[in-house]
Amino acid sequence: DQQVKQNSPSLSVQEGRISILNCDYTNSMFDYFLWYKKYPAEGPTFLISISSIKDKNEDGRFTVFLNKSAKHLSLHIVPSQPGDSAVYFCAASAESSGDKLTFGTGTRLAVRP
Amino acid sequence: DTGVSQDPRHKITKRGQNVTFRCDPISEHNRLYWYRQTLGQGPEFLTYFQNEAQLEKSRLLSDRFSAERPKGSFSTLEIQRTEQGDSAMYLCASSLGQVEKLFFGSGTQLSVL
Repeated sequence: DQQVKQNSPSLSVQEGRISILNCDYTNSMFDYFLWYKKYPAEGPTFLISISSIKDKNEDGRFTVFLNKSAKHLSLHIVPSQPGDSAVYFCAASAESSGDKLTFGTGTRLAVRP
Repeated sequence: DTGVSQDPRHKITKRGQNVTFRCDPISEHNRLYWYRQTLGQGPEFLTYFQNEAQLEKSRLLSDRFSAERPKGSFSTLEIQRTEQGDSAMYLCASSLGQVEKLFFGSGTQLSVL
């Protein structure tokens, strides 16, 4: 049962343009959402998060949008840079389950120079 | 380097052998997590510790798997009688109890032949 879904396994974007990565979830108990970035041969690193009481959180070039009614979140990267090329994982947690994270399957982003 | 350290980085073993992995968390972190990641999937939660207490185990953690954190510092994950299906990246993470501050190690890549 995949509770967090990233339906696009890959995305290719031109440098300087916007990258939009999408994530859907099914568990209505999730109240905190995160995006992690992973380079080959490294562990995931935290990128940005959003609480369910908000619908937007911005940090520099990265913005996460949350649509609770649609159980959908997205990560926008503007402008995209070649160094952003990595696998991006959406993750979610529920207060009732502590800090246990449920991850999506990831989207591989390639930013073309 | 004060990050999460995992040893070994790679392990190749024959089916039926036992293997043990070690994780050294960030020193002041009281929570330690084990995740498993297979090709094309996101990390899957296995178990976590608060200090030396193991608070939750996933149903993915069969009785061939055992994890310890004897003094609330480093942790070991042992797999007995390995099977080919155990081949995966085993990731360790630690935190001070804030889900957005989960720091991952680089993982141990296990290959069971």
